[in-house]
Amino acid sequence: QAVVTQEPSLTVSPGGTVTLTCDSSTGPVTTGHYPYWFQQKPGQAPRTLIYETSNRRSWAPGRFAGSLLGGKAALTLSGAQPEDEAEYYCLLSYSGIRVFGGGTKLTVL
Amino acid sequence: QLQLQESGPGLVKSSETLSLTCGVSGGSIRSSSYFWSWVRQPPGKGLEWIGSMFYSGTTYYNPSLKSRVTISVDTSKNQFSLKLSSVTAADTAVYYCTRPSSDSWGQGTLVTVSS
Repeated sequence: QAVVTQEPSLTVSPGGTVTLTCDSSTGPVTTGHYPYWFQQKPGQAPRTLIYETSNRRSWAPGRFAGSLLGGKAALTLSGAQPEDEAEYYCLLSYSGIRVFGGGTKLTVL
Repeated sequence: QLQLQESGPGLVKSSETLSLTCGVSGGSIRSSSYFWSWVRQPPGKGLEWIGSMFYSGTTYYNPSLKSRVTISVDTSKNQFSLKLSSVTAADTAVYYCTRPSSDSWGQGTLVTVSS
């Protein structure tokens, strides 16, 4: 089974920019992996931020952007706000079998 | 707006079968364009994909759970269900139903496996 790897933790300053990545053990991540990104805050259900690589959900602020970068799926946050502090998970599809990454704890400090 | 709601026992005995239902409101489960999924999260840990189902009947399961998992749909009740057999303490988690592309998630239900 494929393993999906994310940075365990990242810190960004308020107003700063940070990129979270999602790596696949089977090789480069492509649009065919239909990357998703989810945000989860403590005690809450996850929320879908980005689906199918770069499609941002209507609730998600424009400062979040999904892309492919260097063979990985990437979530870039530009202009971080304190409310962006959360756990972020990516999800990749392998011919229908889906695998979550371990999550990135993002601190805005 | 699509709303999902999990229901089922919060306590299951070890070796028995966990059964949860996800009620769908504000939209039809008969949508060929979307996949419906179950996801779980053990206390203090990350998300784990359990399986997904398309209305067409095609299902995909986590290989590590495949021998114990069944996801099915009841179109007459506009709901889909999860069955996980032979549970152990390792199956204790918050279980979510979701249609992720629509950012539709249930609130989650904690299922504890007791010995």
